[in-house]
Amino acid sequence: QQQVKQSPQSLIVQKGGISIINCAYENTAFDYFPWYQQFPGKGPALLIAIRPDVSEKKEGRFTISFNKSAKQFSLHIMDSQPGDSATYFCAASGRSNYQLIWGAGTKLIIKP
Amino acid sequence: GAGVSQSPSNKVTEKGKDVELRCDPISGHTALYWYRQSLGQGLEFLIYFQGNSAPDKSGLPSDRFSAERTGGSVSTLTIQRTQQEDSAVYLCASSTKWGAGTDTQYFGPGTRLTVL
Repeated sequence: QQQVKQSPQSLIVQKGGISIINCAYENTAFDYFPWYQQFPGKGPALLIAIRPDVSEKKEGRFTISFNKSAKQFSLHIMDSQPGDSATYFCAASGRSNYQLIWGAGTKLIIKP
Repeated sequence: GAGVSQSPSNKVTEKGKDVELRCDPISGHTALYWYRQSLGQGLEFLIYFQGNSAPDKSGLPSDRFSAERTGGSVSTLTIQRTQQEDSAVYLCASSTKWGAGTDTQYFGPGTRLTVL
């Protein structure tokens, strides 16, 4: 029940296309859902995060869509660029928990 | 301001040797996490420190692994009698406030450990 399931494991998108990464969770106590971006040789860095009181959050080309009833959330990258090529991790946590529960990661490659 | 730093960046050791990995968190951050990331895999939680509280060691894979945090700042992860399956990137992260799950975790670049 503590798991966060992320898919796909890898994704190849043409430059200018839309990249979509999905995550699903079981624990209804989760109330914070961040996405982290990791470039090779670097540690992950927070990209964007959402709380379940909204269904969508947009920051530039990055959008999180949240479906509370389905217990799913997804990251959309519009107009994907080669510089977006990285590994993306979704995560979740609950108000009383200090730990983030991490998805397994998605390796995204944007083809020029 | 400086971010989280880790040293060494790379460590190659022989099976059976002990290694120490160091993490310098962002100044003022009370919470510190250690994670392990095997090649192409996700993040495996190892241990969590928050202020002067007892650490959460629930993620340590065996008693060969230990960690300490001195003075609420620098942390050292020690792996005794290293095994080949210990080969991975070890990441450290720190966060401000009370280390709640909602706090942004700031990661260091990691230490790549290779056990021959």
